[in-house]
Amino acid sequence: GQNIDQPTEMTATEGAIVQINCTYQTSGFNGLFWYQQHAGEAPTFLSYNVLDGLEEKGRFSSFLSRSKGYSYLLLKELQMKDSASYLCAVQGGGADGLTFGKGTHLIIQP
Amino acid sequence: DAGVIQSPRHEVTEMGQEVTLRCKPISGHNSLFWYRQTMMRGLELLIYFNNNVPIDDSGMPEDRFSAKMPNASFSTLKIQPSEPRDSAVYFCASSSLPRGWHEQYFGPGTRLTVT
Repeated sequence: GQNIDQPTEMTATEGAIVQINCTYQTSGFNGLFWYQQHAGEAPTFLSYNVLDGLEEKGRFSSFLSRSKGYSYLLLKELQMKDSASYLCAVQGGGADGLTFGKGTHLIIQP
Repeated sequence: DAGVIQSPRHEVTEMGQEVTLRCKPISGHNSLFWYRQTMMRGLELLIYFNNNVPIDDSGMPEDRFSAKMPNASFSTLKIQPSEPRDSAVYFCASSSLPRGWHEQYFGPGTRLTVT
């Protein structure tokens, strides 16, 4: 089966840095994804990791350790518009669909 | 370019009625996914198609749910009969093989309320 855990809610300050963790136990692994979802909107793709290490894309970075079943999303120079839910998702072996965690609701305070 | 198109955006129906949700994927994409999102269970994969063929429907909750993809530009998700516990936001997503099918593009969703 698939199990993905991430914190339910986090709060951070505008201009600061926040790290959102995700742990997973899956049968097979073909990649880990992070999606951003603003309230009432569709999820939008942020990042993809299939090999261990850090992937950087502007203010956002994502890290993966396959041996530990662990990933994190790092958001720098936080802006108010970053207030959203961040979904960790895994693509398991032999499947194209994604298994999502329940998401981390990130609140940015001035 | 138009993104993934879903209709209707909102649907309110009574228990026992048939509900049909529609999706038009991004032109040129050959994989299509149906997801359901609720507060309790989060975002769950229901079924996905590759080149119009259903590949994995293990997420379809029960026989009341069925999905079709008659051609590359159209898919439907049908619930018959509907029940209050089916109330959720239903998302359709599409992606393109082999460039990077992990980049799934989501439609705006259909918010279904069954009373």
